[in-house]
Amino acid sequence: NAGVTQTPKFQVLKTGQSMTLQCAQDMNHEYMSWYRQDPGMGLRLIHYSVGAGITDQGEVPNGYNVSRSTTEDFPLRLLSAAPSQTSVYFCASKRGQGFTGELFFGEGSRLTVL
Amino acid sequence: AQSVTQLGSHVSVSEGALVLLRCNYSSSVPPYLFWYVQYPNQGLQLLLKYTSAATLVKGINGFEAEFKKSETSFHLTKPSAHMSDAAEYFCAVFNAGNNRKLIWGLGTSLAVNP
Repeated sequence: NAGVTQTPKFQVLKTGQSMTLQCAQDMNHEYMSWYRQDPGMGLRLIHYSVGAGITDQGEVPNGYNVSRSTTEDFPLRLLSAAPSQTSVYFCASKRGQGFTGELFFGEGSRLTVL
Repeated sequence: AQSVTQLGSHVSVSEGALVLLRCNYSSSVPPYLFWYVQYPNQGLQLLLKYTSAATLVKGINGFEAEFKKSETSFHLTKPSAHMSDAAEYFCAVFNAGNNRKLIWGLGTSLAVNP
């Protein structure tokens, strides 16, 4: 059982470039989300989805887009990368649409924007 | 507004010593509380959670936490530290009131010395 799979694990971009971080889960979880982790700032929610076709903004959505066309996949798009988006990104999923269940995290994608 | 405070961004203990990681929360309604652990270069995984059942919650790897409403605390403990416990630990709170968000603490890095 793969759980939550993120690709790529590492990426270096130049300012202004675009890219997509991929996230796939094989647990048939309704809820999926993207976090960024920065030193001294903990985890911050970027976007989340409670089911296919439904997405919503978290606390730091600017500069990021998401879509949820299937239950399994939840890609995160950076349309024009900025150095402030240098971070470690985590995708997480859980059963149901509420906020009290266990989150299952991917191993993270480390992004550097030059 | 609800918040989570983890006292001590870095904690160092000797192998075999008691581990105590502190978490205080603010919430206007009964909260759900979580502890997650992040091992180096990995995603987070759930250690334990409090969902208004028993106030003493047992988790994986010998960890436990006690919900104390009067102190608004949910401290994480383990009687005897192992080298393998070295990791980052995050406390999180979900408030089912008006602000339905999972709020994360900034994390505590635990070092275990031989």
